[in-house]
Amino acid sequence: ELKVEQNPLFLSMQEGKNYTIYCNYSTTSDRLYWYRQDPGKSLESLFVLLSNGAVKQEGRLMASLDTKARLSTLHITAAVHDLSATYFCASSRDSNYQLIWGAGTKLIIKP
Amino acid sequence: DGGITQSPKYLFRKEGQNVTLSCEQNLNHDAMYWYRQDPGQGLRLIYYSQIVNDFQKGDIAEGYSVSREKKESFPLTVTSAQKNPTAFYLCASWGQANYGYTFGSGTRLTVV
Repeated sequence: ELKVEQNPLFLSMQEGKNYTIYCNYSTTSDRLYWYRQDPGKSLESLFVLLSNGAVKQEGRLMASLDTKARLSTLHITAAVHDLSATYFCASSRDSNYQLIWGAGTKLIIKP
Repeated sequence: DGGITQSPKYLFRKEGQNVTLSCEQNLNHDAMYWYRQDPGQGLRLIYYSQIVNDFQKGDIAEGYSVSREKKESFPLTVTSAQKNPTAFYLCASWGQANYGYTFGSGTRLTVV
C-alpha cells in the first residue's frame, strides 16, 4: 500500500524556537510536495522537491528530500506566530499525476 | 491570472437533495481532482479526471458523481445517497510535476 506518513501530527511551540516536521513516503516516485493550509482556507503550495538532495528555502522554512531514505523534512527556524497553520506533504503516484497525502501536521506557535 | 474557481463558497443542502459544486480552471491543465476534507482531517480523493470525457473513482466516490465535458470544467454532484456530506470540498488541477497541484478556494457544504 502506498503511504505518506507525517510526524508529529500536532506541534505546539514557542516563538523563536526551531523544529522539524518529518514526512516518510513509500511510493517509488522521487517527487515530494509541501503545502500549507490556514484554518478555513484552501491549500497553497510551499515547496516542490524533484530530486535526491533537493533543498528549498523560503523565509524561515526549509524543505529537503532524501530519496534513499524516502524522507523529506520541513525545518522551521526561529518560529513566528504567522507560521501557525497545518502543513501537508504529498508524494506522487508515479505516472498517474495523483498525489498521496500525509495526514497533515497542525502547527501552533505561541507568542 | 490563471487559476481555479470554485463556486459557491458556501452551500446548504436539505436532506434528500442533490447539489452541484462548480470547478472551473483556465490553466489549460488536463488532470483535475475533487477532494473532501472533514474538520481537523486530511484530504480524501473523491473523483479525478485525466482527460475530457473520462474520469475515475477515488477512495470515497459513493454518493458523488462527476462529469468532464470540457477541459476547463469538472463539476461535482453530491447526491442524496451521500448520507453525511457536510465537509469542505476542494478542487485541484495538475499541470506539470514541477508545480504539483493548484487548488481552488473550496466550497463548504452543510446539510440543514
